[in-house]
Amino acid sequence: GENVEQHPSTLSVQEGDSAVIKCTYSDSASNYFPWYKQELGKRPQLIIDIRSNVGEKKDQRIAVTLNKTAKHFSLHITETQPEDSAVYFCAASKTGNQFYFGTGTSLTVIP
Amino acid sequence: DAGITQSPRHKVTETGTPVTLRCHQTENHRYMYWYRQDPGHGLRLIHYSYGVKDTDKGEVSDGYSVSRSKTEDFLLTLESATSSQTSVYFCAISPDTGANEQYFGPGTRLTVT
Repeated sequence: GENVEQHPSTLSVQEGDSAVIKCTYSDSASNYFPWYKQELGKRPQLIIDIRSNVGEKKDQRIAVTLNKTAKHFSLHITETQPEDSAVYFCAASKTGNQFYFGTGTSLTVIP
Repeated sequence: DAGITQSPRHKVTETGTPVTLRCHQTENHRYMYWYRQDPGHGLRLIHYSYGVKDTDKGEVSDGYSVSRSKTEDFLLTLESATSSQTSVYFCAISPDTGANEQYFGPGTRLTVT
């Protein structure tokens, strides 16, 4: 099956700085890569996703990049704010319904 | 939030007892999933369903069974609960194939003593 690795496991940044979280995957057939944000005690919420036919996608302060050759994808958050503090999960999937998740990154934005 | 509810939201049970968790959706989505979330492991797929009476195993299916008799309901059963099954269980739904957005329910915190 697919293996998704996520780094770092914890990340602290000053408010206003950028944060980058990286994931690698093993199955070259994976074609969908979502990112989820999970606040303490809450459900994971989809914040952005990218498909294998696209190299980059942006949504306001959040962007995701995908390098299919190297089999890695990254989440970039610019101008971080305290409300960005949460656990972020990457995932990889291919048609066939199995989603494989990374182990999460706990992001703390220091005011 | 997508129309997904889970019941119960919290449960404490004893080792060896059967437990059933329910996921209910009002979105008429075809695909439904059960995950467990444990510290250091992220979210791991237990079972999923791609239609009424159509289910398949995920990566951590041992000790769990599922049933889907209606589009809107997906049940997860622990036949004989063990302490290793203490976890937070999330249901998720997806409108089409695995290459589409997946939305999570609020979760069920299960403690097996």
